[in-house]
Amino acid sequence: EAGVVQSPRYKIIEKKQPVAFWCNPISGHNTLYWYRQNLGQGPELLIRYENEEAVDDSQLPKDRFSAERLKGVDSTLKIQPAELGDSAVYLCASTVTYDSYNEQFFGPGTRLTVL
Amino acid sequence: DQQVKQNSPSLSVQEGRISILNCDYTNSMFDYFLWYKKYPAEGPTFLISISSIKDKNEDGRFTVFLNKSAKHLSLHIVPSQPGDSAVYFCAATEEMNTGFQKLVFGTGTRLLVSP
Repeated sequence: EAGVVQSPRYKIIEKKQPVAFWCNPISGHNTLYWYRQNLGQGPELLIRYENEEAVDDSQLPKDRFSAERLKGVDSTLKIQPAELGDSAVYLCASTVTYDSYNEQFFGPGTRLTVL
Repeated sequence: DQQVKQNSPSLSVQEGRISILNCDYTNSMFDYFLWYKKYPAEGPTFLISISSIKDKNEDGRFTVFLNKSAKHLSLHIVPSQPGDSAVYFCAATEEMNTGFQKLVFGTGTRLLVSP
């Protein structure tokens, strides 16, 4: 079974440029998450989707970040315009619910460098 | 405010010996505790978990211990193998108002197992 797929794996852009990340979750997983992992830190949740609905986006900086999950499968995360502080690894994860907690399966991430 | 703390950024152990990774938390409402392992250029992968009502969970070479009174958990790896060399993240689930179990990660501990 294929895991969570993310692209691109690496992206280098200049500040003020736009950038987009793509995620394809594990087939059948209706819950999708975007995380940001800063250097030396653990992943932090940005947004969670249940099917195509964003149900938890309180951590998403809405002035420059946007996300969508059309048709409840693939998702894209966009930053426009990017700032130096946005340099991080952006991780996508999807969930199968087991007992009372979510076992989240993570993709390899997109490493963003903003110059 | 860091609710899940991993105070040791790195740990070096010889092959065959025990590795003990530690994690402290501040939120007494956490329901589940999980350990994720992360290799370079890959996303975190789930390793083992423990419910807040248990004090021990074992899976092969991996055992997680939970001390609720001390708000402390640890991951024991016995015997350690070179392939265990990775970054280990401690995480905890926090139930939100919507019933969603949000994962809160620590900063990670880099384990190096030398032959």
